[in-house]
Amino acid sequence: EAGVTQSPTHLIKTRGQQATLRCSPISGHTSVYWYQQALGLGLQFLLWYDEGEERNRGNFPPRFSGRQFPNYSSELNVNALELEDSALYLCASSFGDRNYGYTFGSGTRLTVV
Amino acid sequence: RKEVEQDPGPFNVPEGATVAFNCTYSNSASQSFFWYRQDCRKEPKLLMSVYSSGNEDGRFTAQLNRASQYISLLIRDSKLSDSATYLCVYSGGSNYKLTFGKGTLLTVNP
Repeated sequence: EAGVTQSPTHLIKTRGQQATLRCSPISGHTSVYWYQQALGLGLQFLLWYDEGEERNRGNFPPRFSGRQFPNYSSELNVNALELEDSALYLCASSFGDRNYGYTFGSGTRLTVV
Repeated sequence: RKEVEQDPGPFNVPEGATVAFNCTYSNSASQSFFWYRQDCRKEPKLLMSVYSSGNEDGRFTAQLNRASQYISLLIRDSKLSDSATYLCVYSGGSNYKLTFGKGTLLTVNP
C-alpha cells in the first residue's frame, strides 16, 4: 500500500511569489492534514480537510489556503510568500471518523529567498 | 501555559542506557496520546499510542496519567538507532487535530 505522497520534494521561491504544494493520501483515507515545521520549531497545525471540506484551520493568515479534490488529494497554496514561510510542510492522512495517530508524507521543503 | 511541554533535552546517553522522556499537556479534554519519533530532516513517524493502563512495545514503555495530565516514554537498552527527536502528541475533540510538543533530542553514543 502506497503511503502519503507529497510533491514537490523541494521548492525554491522568491518573496512575493505563490507556492503550490500537493498531497495524495493513503488509499481509503478521507482526511488530509497540513502542518508547518519551521527550523527549530515544533509542528504547527495549518489545515484539516475531510470529504472535500475545510474542517478546521490553525492560526495562520488567509494567504495560506488549500483545497481537497474529489479523489481526496489536496493542495496547499501559499500566496505572497515571506521569508519566514521557509519550512518543511508536512501532509498527513487518516480516516475521517477515527481518532488515531496519522501517517505523514515525507514533506515539501519550501525555501523562500 | 503551552499546550504540550516536553523535557527540553538534549539527552546524550551511552548505548545500553535507559532513558525517560516526560511530557505534560494542558487540555483536559484530550482524548488520545501518542509518541512520534522524527529523524533529522525527515517526517515524524508514529512510535506508539499511549493508554491509561500503560503499554509496552519491546524496549519502549509508555504511560499516561490523566489526573496529572502527564505522559512518559521509557526506552530501555538504548541503541544507536534510537537517536532521534521524540515528540509528545495528543488529540482532543472532534477535529482529530494532533497537537505536537517541540520534541526532545536523543543522541545515543557508542
